[in-house]
Amino acid sequence: DTGVSQNPRHKITKRGQNVTFRCDPISEHNRLYWYRQTLGQGPEFLTYFQNEAQLEKSRLLSDRFSAERPKGSFSTLEIQRTEQGDSAMYLCASSFPSQGRGTDTQYFGPGTRLTVL
Amino acid sequence: AQTVTQSQPEMSVQEAETVTLSCTYDTSENNYYLFWYKQPPSRQMILVIRQEAYKQQNATENRFSVNFQKAAKSFSLKISDSQLGDTAMYFCANEVDSGYALNFGKGTSLLVTP
Repeated sequence: DTGVSQNPRHKITKRGQNVTFRCDPISEHNRLYWYRQTLGQGPEFLTYFQNEAQLEKSRLLSDRFSAERPKGSFSTLEIQRTEQGDSAMYLCASSFPSQGRGTDTQYFGPGTRLTVL
Repeated sequence: AQTVTQSQPEMSVQEAETVTLSCTYDTSENNYYLFWYKQPPSRQMILVIRQEAYKQQNATENRFSVNFQKAAKSFSLKISDSQLGDTAMYFCANEVDSGYALNFGKGTSLLVTP
């Protein structure tokens, strides 16, 4: 295990369909983050887990979005009834807590690029 | 609302030269962390350098160093002896006040030319 992995790497779907992405963090990393990155922008925070608990959700995470991390290992991000505005790169990151808030280094995965037609 | 501003959408530098990328930020915290991340073309984002706000000394990692001006809320990245492999998008980030997530700027696209 050399890094954060995400699957699939690319997803093309039609508007209105549901999609699910998976993120496998670095083993022993108990913190996991989801971000969304649109073209020409920096990543925007969506949600954060510590172990299996979802501790933060951005206002960007509408009711159509749901994220889980059932056993504190891998995580899934589901988007229901996709819209064209959901087209973006979805990034996952993980970290191992060191001394407190802000000191973790977040390790990013390669992302899942979603295209909604 | 928190903002991280990178005023240079694109920059270019010749190999072996030095380049400085600018970043300003806003936060209501007194103690916080700042980060520079690099995203090479079609590759994943990696941490370049980070700075703890309560430390006076500017962080340095090999050819990468920062100029942290807390009062001005400025956090620039200096790349010395630029290499072709430094070509990438560079993102400045700070912590979201409420927790552990990061708040990113729009990025600066750096091109290193031979």
